[in-house]
Amino acid sequence: EAQVTQNPRYLITVTGKKLTVTCSQNMNHEYMSWYRQDPGLGLRQIYYSMNVEVTDKGDVPEGYKVSRKEKRNFPLILESPSPNQTSLYFCASSTNRGLTYSNTEAFFGQGTRLTVV
Amino acid sequence: QQQVKQSPQSLIVQKGGISIINCAYENTAFDYFPWYQQFPGKGPALLIAIRPDVSEKKEGRFTISFNKSAKQFSLHIMDSQPGDSATYFCAASITDYQLIWGAGTKLIIKP
Repeated sequence: EAQVTQNPRYLITVTGKKLTVTCSQNMNHEYMSWYRQDPGLGLRQIYYSMNVEVTDKGDVPEGYKVSRKEKRNFPLILESPSPNQTSLYFCASSTNRGLTYSNTEAFFGQGTRLTVV
Repeated sequence: QQQVKQSPQSLIVQKGGISIINCAYENTAFDYFPWYQQFPGKGPALLIAIRPDVSEKKEGRFTISFNKSAKQFSLHIMDSQPGDSATYFCAASITDYQLIWGAGTKLIIKP
């Protein structure tokens, strides 16, 4: 089954404690991306990757890091989480044609709800 | 200029009625406009998409209407069903790899 898997689904942590949210896809997609979803703001892109070792900033990259050492994995790293990073996070993947080619779909994971206290 | 403004924030429609969600944008460089549907506890999923060279696209009960001169586009759900209850997001592409998203509309279809 084609899927994007995020872990954990729920996480409560304290300010300043480094954490990693993992994302893995089994569709051999080149493109992967991280979003955060906040009420009234929709989805905002944090980082994206067009292939292994190729990453770029999205709209809200501050406070986040990513790496793309393997095609299937795209972890999101919060080196020093702060309460304003409390949010619902989604990982997405797509083919290398990008999101705007015909009806190319971005496949989303089920989300990680992060609370930073 | 990079925003996509979506309205209404929430919408209640009777079963069998027409649901209409509107989006507006400023950046004329946007060239691809998808709509995503999100159910509680799930990630968004592509519903339907349109390019600005057409004014309307229909897939089953879902139709996108696009008004390039007004810089507006809308989603129409005909014969709305309780299973359509979800949050709907419009979006616009800024590059091949980046989407700018609307704030979302929570749609409830009353039986």
